[in-house]
Amino acid sequence: QVQLQESGPGLVKPSETLSLSCSVSGGPIDNYYWSWIRQPPGGGLEWIGYVFYGRRTKYNPSFNDRVAMSTDTSQNRFSLNLSSVTPADTAVYFCAHFSAANSYIYWGQGILVTVSS
Amino acid sequence: DIQMTQFPSSLSASVGDRVTITCRTSQAISSSLNWYQQKPGKAPQLLIYGTSNLFRGVPSTFSGSGSATEFTLTISSLQPEDSATFYCQQSYSIPHTFGQGTTVEV
Repeated sequence: QVQLQESGPGLVKPSETLSLSCSVSGGPIDNYYWSWIRQPPGGGLEWIGYVFYGRRTKYNPSFNDRVAMSTDTSQNRFSLNLSSVTPADTAVYFCAHFSAANSYIYWGQGILVTVSS
Repeated sequence: DIQMTQFPSSLSASVGDRVTITCRTSQAISSSLNWYQQKPGKAPQLLIYGTSNLFRGVPSTFSGSGSATEFTLTISSLQPEDSATFYCQQSYSIPHTFGQGTTVEV
């Protein structure tokens, strides 16, 4: 059973970079797809992107090149950096595993990140 | 981007009722449509993948159908624990997109 756990600061100042990590247990992160999805308070789900096969990435163009994802296979975790944040980036951020069935089977519990000065 | 239109946005129904939620996509997506259930304060949980495949452990009261641009999630006999928000999601093309959600009150 794969388990995911997000970690990182819960408060980020405007214009700074939001940095989150997702620790994976129950299986190696190599050769799989690992995604970040966010949900603003009271809102719907928004796909941010995924990192796969260790270092390849696909991002949602709506983030205008503010997103970077990476993996650390030695720690079995992957990360999200979102730069130049504004209050509109306030959301619960989920990490998730995109499975061979083309669906998101495993999710972290989510971490609320608030962008505020 | 593929736009997802999900309706209704909310509904209220009684225990035992049959409930249908519809998801329309702005272009054909083959069978690359998934359904999730989300309860307050929790992560979404996969119910149906590939349009009609029931994920392990999901009650058989849930079913999915559809093709091309129109898909449905059906709950054949609504239970109290089904109160939640349901989302459709397409994995046909990048960026993956979600419907706006349907909140079901039992």
